[in-house]
Amino acid sequence: EVQLVESGGRLVQPGGSLRLSCAASGFTFSNYWMSWVRQAPGKGLEWVASMYQDGSEKYSVDSVKGRFTISRDNAKNSLYLQMNSLRAEDTAVYYCARLRGAVTTFDLWGRGTLVTVSS
Amino acid sequence: AIQLTQSPSSLSASVGDRVTITCRTSQYISNALAWYQQKPGRAPNLLIYDASSLESGVPSRFSGSGSGTDFTLTISSLQPEDFATYYCQQRNSYPITFGQGTRLEIE
Repeated sequence: EVQLVESGGRLVQPGGSLRLSCAASGFTFSNYWMSWVRQAPGKGLEWVASMYQDGSEKYSVDSVKGRFTISRDNAKNSLYLQMNSLRAEDTAVYYCARLRGAVTTFDLWGRGTLVTVSS
Repeated sequence: AIQLTQSPSSLSASVGDRVTITCRTSQYISNALAWYQQKPGRAPNLLIYDASSLESGVPSRFSGSGSGTDFTLTISSLQPEDFATYYCQQRNSYPITFGQGTRLEIE
């Protein structure tokens, strides 16, 4: 079955760190750009970061630059998001999503993992 | 960043109605637009890509049109399972951006 499964979300204090993981299966992971997209409670979708097949190219939204790092391990079919200096406004469901190309559409999504930043 | 403005923000309609949602972009993006459906507690689902191409497996009552800065998503005859929130997304350039969403509710 083609799927993405996120993990790692939990309650964390402001200023803390967290690493999210996304396990891919059912497709050739190394052939795709991959992304993280988040959704704050009751709010819309916000793209967070994307990474090229071999990890040599990546992009992120300005609000997370210098704090969040996207990475991948093609041998493990896994995508990661290292989140540092977390803020209350980072509270959201974080989705792992597959891109069809460098800047295209998200054609496969995971179920998401909830990150709550609160003291 | 390219801004996307959807209208309306919410919409009430009945089963069988024809519904249109619009998305306007702050810059010209040719046909680099997609539409997603999201139901409560679920991940988004791709409906339309490249402004008017129907994603595989999506019912034909969904259609997209437009080019440049003005786009529309049309549902020709609403079904009970179509009540959800719809988002447009531009793929012209980074940062990838989404519209604020249109909530489609049962009248």
